[in-house]
Amino acid sequence: AQKITQTQPGMFVQEKEAVTLDCTYDTSDPSYGLFWYKQPSSGEMIFLIYQGSYDQQNATEGRYSLNFQKARKSANLVISASQLGDSAMYFCAMREVLYSSASKIIFGSGTRLSIRP
Amino acid sequence: NAGVTQTPKFRVLKTGQSMTLLCAQDMNHEYMYWYRQDPGMGLRLIHYSVGEGTTAKGEVPDGYNVSRLKKQNFLLGLESAAPSQTSVYFCASSEIQETNEKLFFGSGTQLSVL
Repeated sequence: AQKITQTQPGMFVQEKEAVTLDCTYDTSDPSYGLFWYKQPSSGEMIFLIYQGSYDQQNATEGRYSLNFQKARKSANLVISASQLGDSAMYFCAMREVLYSSASKIIFGSGTRLSIRP
Repeated sequence: NAGVTQTPKFRVLKTGQSMTLLCAQDMNHEYMYWYRQDPGMGLRLIHYSVGEGTTAKGEVPDGYNVSRLKKQNFLLGLESAAPSQTSVYFCASSEIQETNEKLFFGSGTQLSVL
């Protein structure tokens, strides 16, 4: 069975510093996708970044980058130059392809990131 | 552009009561999902659907039923609510794509079972 693990329940980071949020996954499926979502205190879920299992390069989206280490089964989110607005819950998620193009997506337990001014 | 709409946004039930949560999407997405979010547990998949008329069990399906009679709607039912079902429920949808199948989320339903 597939599994997503986020080992950091909470983190405190000084504003303008870079921060790495850890995510490890476990799947026997050779085809999968990895996602990061942000959930601010308002409760909405905001898509940040995606990495496919066959992608050769690490994904980047503005200040977000995904450090994908396939052999280690890790997909850490790196936020450069953190801002106060980055304070939120962050979830790592994985899409497993079931058959044909059908798939389901499961989430880790999340990391609460707090940015200090 | 509405996206994914969940109704109701808040609900309080007594133990044993039943209710249905409605999720509607206007993006013509094939896939739809119901998740529950509990403190410290992240989002857990309850049921999902890969197309109109289809449903499948997720990680925590017990105590819930779903139906997808129309492509744009995905209903989540609680036949006999229990306090353990107190949670925030999120509906999500996505297109069929080989890659980058990101989820579009509704705003959530806060359900309390007393």
